[in-house]
Amino acid sequence: AQTVTQSQPEMSVQEAETVTLSCTYDTSESDYYLFWYKQPPSRQMILVIRQEAYKQQNATENRFSVNFQKAAKSFSLKISDSQLGDAAMYFCAYNFNTPLVFGKGTRLSVIA
Amino acid sequence: GAGVSQSPSNKVTEKGKDVELRCDPISGHTALYWYRQSLGQGLEFLIYFQGNSAPDKSGLPSDRFSAERTGGSVSTLTIQRTQQEDSAVYLCASSQPSGNTIYFGEGSWLTVV
Repeated sequence: AQTVTQSQPEMSVQEAETVTLSCTYDTSESDYYLFWYKQPPSRQMILVIRQEAYKQQNATENRFSVNFQKAAKSFSLKISDSQLGDAAMYFCAYNFNTPLVFGKGTRLSVIA
Repeated sequence: GAGVSQSPSNKVTEKGKDVELRCDPISGHTALYWYRQSLGQGLEFLIYFQGNSAPDKSGLPSDRFSAERTGGSVSTLTIQRTQQEDSAVYLCASSQPSGNTIYFGEGSWLTVV
């Protein structure tokens, strides 16, 4: 069974600085999808970024980028120029022809 | 609609009562998912619909939980004889037929007292 592991329950970052959230996963498939979702206190799960495993190029969305290491089964999220509004729970997720499998999340605090 | 809509937003019920949670997916999305999120925890998969059929019910925690979907649109998650451990946020999501990105509603926060 596929599993997703987020080893950092909590992280903090100074406003305007850069932070990296870690995620590893386990799969025997070669073509799959990886996601990072953000969940602010409002509970709404918001898609941050999406990576297709067959693409070697790391996905980027404005201040958010990923470091996708397929051989290592690693999918970290980098947030640049952190803003107070980035404070939230961040969930890494995996998908291959099944409902998304989520990690347990990382709570990110942003310090003014 | 523009997004996934869930109701009620918040529900407080007495132990032993039945509750129904409703999800209205994004128009045109044939796949619909239910997840449960306990306080401070990750997301636990409950059930998945493709159209009106449920090919994957593996996550339903007990026979007190059931779900249905009619007309390929609205879905209802029913919890019978609620227990305190059922207290959680119940999140619904939907996706396009061939899409891998799922979009979530704001959830229904259930409290069993």
